[in-house]
Amino acid sequence: AQSVTQLGSHVSVSEGALVLLRCNYSSSVPPYLFWYVQYPNQGLQLLLKYTSAATLVKGINGFEAEFKKSETSFHLTKPSAHMSDAAEYFCAVSHQGAQKLVFGQGTRLTINP
Amino acid sequence: DTGVSQNPRHKITKRGQNVTFRCDPISEHNRLYWYRQTLGQGPEFLTYFQNEAQLEKSRLLSDRFSAERPKGSFSTLEIQRTEQGDSAMYLCASSLEGAPDTQYFGPGTRLTVL
Repeated sequence: AQSVTQLGSHVSVSEGALVLLRCNYSSSVPPYLFWYVQYPNQGLQLLLKYTSAATLVKGINGFEAEFKKSETSFHLTKPSAHMSDAAEYFCAVSHQGAQKLVFGQGTRLTINP
Repeated sequence: DTGVSQNPRHKITKRGQNVTFRCDPISEHNRLYWYRQTLGQGPEFLTYFQNEAQLEKSRLLSDRFSAERPKGSFSTLEIQRTEQGDSAMYLCASSLEGAPDTQYFGPGTRLTVL
């Protein structure tokens, strides 16, 4: 079985500060890993994905994530937060051949002016 | 490409009533997924279709729930005899068979059962 744990249900940073959202996964097979963003009353938008190629993955809006197998982690970072980054962020796991995504509980990111 | 669309966006119903939601995937996508998201939680997988065939159903999908994709294009999700616990956001996603790992989500239908 696969699972995802997102550490911290709420993260608050100042505008211009580093954003770090933590995700740890559990998988018995090589995982595919994803970060999605959800703005209020909207669906999910894919930020980036790892599918066994480069371990450092760059996504949209300046976000990136690094796959660390030894730590079973896939943390999301952005060097400088912008007010428009305020949203809910979800980490998800699947694997090659899987038909479904397994999501974490989400982290709400708040940006302080 | 207009993305995945879902209708209605909001539905308020009384307990015991039946409701039906519709999802229109991206036109060339042959895989379609339904997820449910309750307040403060991540989405949970309900079921998925490849073309018109329903290939997997979650244990979350009780016998009051039924999903169809009759011609391999749009899909409907029906909930019979709604309960207050059915209140949630119902999300639809689609993907290409050749790239199943990239799912594109619609805006969701928010269901409130009174």
